[in-house]
Amino acid sequence: DGGITQSPKYLFRKEGQNVTLSCEQNLNHDAMYWYRQDPGQGLRLIYYSQIVNDFQKGDIAEGYSVSREKKESFPLTVTSAQKNPTAFYLCASSISGRGWSTDTQYFGPGTRLTVL
Amino acid sequence: GENVEQHPSTLSVQEGDSAVIKCTYSDSASNYFPWYKQELGKRPQLIIDIRSNVGEKKDQRIAVTLNKTAKHFSLHITETQPEDSAVYFCAASITTSGTYKYIFGTGTRLKVLA
Repeated sequence: DGGITQSPKYLFRKEGQNVTLSCEQNLNHDAMYWYRQDPGQGLRLIYYSQIVNDFQKGDIAEGYSVSREKKESFPLTVTSAQKNPTAFYLCASSISGRGWSTDTQYFGPGTRLTVL
Repeated sequence: GENVEQHPSTLSVQEGDSAVIKCTYSDSASNYFPWYKQELGKRPQLIIDIRSNVGEKKDQRIAVTLNKTAKHFSLHITETQPEDSAVYFCAASITTSGTYKYIFGTGTRLKVLA
């Protein structure tokens, strides 16, 4: 998991602003994921991508957008439509997202987003 | 929809005692069950996992058991140490329309008292 980086570590946003969270991996993994974590809660899936130029909505995609133009990068944009964006955001990757034996997900260090 | 229930939400044990965390999943097609440990402000780290063709797996002080019939799996930590204090998450794999993802439990905060 040392090959997955997220930036910035802390991010502050004013209401009405869009912000983009970066996630990069040098593990040559096909699949990448974005999760949201709120205090005292588990991880909820926002978006995931099994291959370049393809992605799917997770359980809480409203107010978020993603792109997957490169294998190593999966940026997440938190739009002004997301009404309660303050949370800890975690990116993960796995060798593939096809249910094979090598599908363990490894996490980046996270970005803590706070809306002012 | 699919879900994973995790219990207890908090667990306090004396150093040296054992800790058990239990999860129940709903999708009978789930075939992979990882456990993650997350320290405060850090990333979740995989500590052990089990696949559906195995009933038990052990790695030093940590073990996981799986009961496919009952759709239960559990994490067992023996001889607990203060550094085991963290939040532990279970997860179950699900396949939807050819895509593969995890459903996570809500976490167990383990406190090991010295």
